Amino acid sequence: AQSVAQPEDQVNVAEGNPLTVKCTYSVSGNPYLFWYVQYPNRGLQFLLKYITGDNLVKGSYGFEAEFNKSQTSFHLKKPSALVSDSALYFCAVRAPSGGYQKVTFGTGTKLQVIP
Amino acid sequence: ETGVTQSPTHLIKTRGQQVTLRCSSQSGHNTVSWYQQALGQGPQFIFQYYREEENGRGNFPPRFSGLQFPNYSSELNVNALELDDSALYLCASSLDRSNTGELFFGEGSRLTVL
Repeated sequence: AQSVAQPEDQVNVAEGNPLTVKCTYSVSGNPYLFWYVQYPNRGLQFLLKYITGDNLVKGSYGFEAEFNKSQTSFHLKKPSALVSDSALYFCAVRAPSGGYQKVTFGTGTKLQVIP
Repeated sequence: ETGVTQSPTHLIKTRGQQVTLRCSSQSGHNTVSWYQQALGQGPQFIFQYYREEENGRGNFPPRFSGLQFPNYSSELNVNALELDDSALYLCASSLDRSNTGELFFGEGSRLTVL
């Protein structure tokens, strides 16, 4: 079975400071990893993904994530936070095998950027 | 390019009733997945439809069922509604059933069961 853990319910960061949202995963085989963002009363929007290749993945809105196989982590990062980054962030994992896309999401981390 | 659209956006039902939620996939996408997002939780995979057939299912009872139509749009049906079915139901489309790409989500249908 595949699973995702987001250990922090909420992360607070001052505007302009770097931010990190943590994610660890469990899956058989090499994982497909994703980050999505959700604004209030909206659907999820894709930020970035890791499939293979470089461990540092760059995505939308200046976000990036670092894949660490030995620590089974995929932390989301941004060098300088904006107030508009305040939202709910979900890490997700999908096993590489199988003919369908069962994507497992974490419980989400609320990011609050303080002006 | 048209995004994923869902209807209705909000609805209220009473326990025991049935509900149908609808989804139009993004242009060119042949795969639709449905997710249930309870308050304060991450989305939970219900099932996936590819070329009008269910080809993957999460841990949901048979009273959750679906359809996909030739134009790749989809319906989610829930029978015998329970209070715990209250949630945001999200539809997501993708280019193919097993590709490595991202899911494209609609804005959801918020179901309240009283």
